[in-house]
Amino acid sequence: DAKTTQPTSMDCAEGRAANLPCNHSTISGNEYVYWYRQIHSQGPQYIIHGLKNNETNEMASLIITEDRKSSTLILPHATLRDTAVYYCIVTRNQGGKLIFGQGTELSVKP
Amino acid sequence: DVKVTQSSRYLVKRTGEKVFLECVQDMDHENMFWYRQDPGLGLRLIYFSYDVKMKEKGDIPEGYSVSREKKERFSLILESASTNQTSMYLCASSSQGLHTFGSGTRLTVV
Repeated sequence: DAKTTQPTSMDCAEGRAANLPCNHSTISGNEYVYWYRQIHSQGPQYIIHGLKNNETNEMASLIITEDRKSSTLILPHATLRDTAVYYCIVTRNQGGKLIFGQGTELSVKP
Repeated sequence: DVKVTQSSRYLVKRTGEKVFLECVQDMDHENMFWYRQDPGLGLRLIYFSYDVKMKEKGDIPEGYSVSREKKERFSLILESASTNQTSMYLCASSSQGLHTFGSGTRLTVV
């Protein structure tokens, strides 16, 4: 599975969009990009995933660059409850084990 | 709503005790996983299972074993608990690439 690089931490004002970047320059053609988040003292929670096309669901949007070497998770209107560690994971093995990096600690501030 | 349930939220055990951590999922998922999470080390995979009675070692299996007698239940066993096994333990199940995690068991070995 390709390695990912994320900023260690980010701040966002409440109500504004939070844009979390992820670099995965060694991604191969059959690997998916997954995003999970972990709110303090809870288990990680699935957010969204994609292969090539941009994706949107009720939680977030995922923008994948055309060359697939990077992606951005967008929380359109961040709330205090979105304060969490966000993990970007690249894997071909759908349903298989996940390899977690250190993630980005997002702090949403009033 | 789909669920992964871990039997205990907090657990305190003595060094040398045999410890069982139980995990049950109600989603009929084939795949189940045990991770541990430690500050600065992130989530690390201990064991996983792709089917009943099947098990595969993860990245840090030493000191642990697992049991999967029924599809819905995946147990993590610490044969002889040690203080370096004090950690947050997270169980997950997956299907179609989406992992659902339990709330975690915070185990303290004294």
